[in-house]
Amino acid sequence: DGGITQSPKYLFRKEGQNVTLSCEQNLNHDAMYWYRQDPGQGLRLIYYSQIVNDFQKGDIAEGYSVSREKKESFPLTVTSAQKNPTAFYLCASSIIGTSYNEQFFGPGTRLTVL
Amino acid sequence: EDQVTQSPEALRLQEGESSSLNCSYTVSGLRGLFWYRQDPGKGPEFLFTLYSAGEEKEKERLKATLTKKESFLHITAPKPEDSATYLCAVHGYGGSQGNLIFGKGTKLSVKP
Repeated sequence: DGGITQSPKYLFRKEGQNVTLSCEQNLNHDAMYWYRQDPGQGLRLIYYSQIVNDFQKGDIAEGYSVSREKKESFPLTVTSAQKNPTAFYLCASSIIGTSYNEQFFGPGTRLTVL
Repeated sequence: EDQVTQSPEALRLQEGESSSLNCSYTVSGLRGLFWYRQDPGKGPEFLFTLYSAGEEKEKERLKATLTKKESFLHITAPKPEDSATYLCAVHGYGGSQGNLIFGKGTKLSVKP
């Protein structure tokens, strides 16, 4: 079945640690995205990538880093510089064409800082 | 600045009681408006894309409509399994390829 997978489902981090969230898709989509979701707020874009080895900052990129070495994979690292990392993290993907294409989401990773 | 406001924040319905959710938007040229359903602890599930005013789309008990300033998600004769948070998002021509602007969502509860 085609889809987007994220791992782990739950992640606990100690203060000062970097952690990496995995996102893989087998939809053959060109574009991939990372969002953060906090209670009572809309989804906010962290980073996105339209092509391998290239990515752009979203609205809240500070304290995060990404890589796009393969079309299928777009891991997100939450660094110790991110002051309030506890949130629900969502990965999405879409095709790119002449008209805008819908974004499809993975199941999410819930990150908690201890 | 592109903006999306969803109302109400929460809606409680009895099974079979039809109603509508509202998504008001301000955007510099609309590329697309998107509706998603999100269950607790899960990722959003894509429902509809609307591109131009007057457009309508339907899926089972759901119907989405679009005007130049707002979109409505009409729910006809809802069932308890329709309980979820419904998210609206827009993409404008002023934004980058990746930048969908999301509303905060409407949490729908349908009681049997």
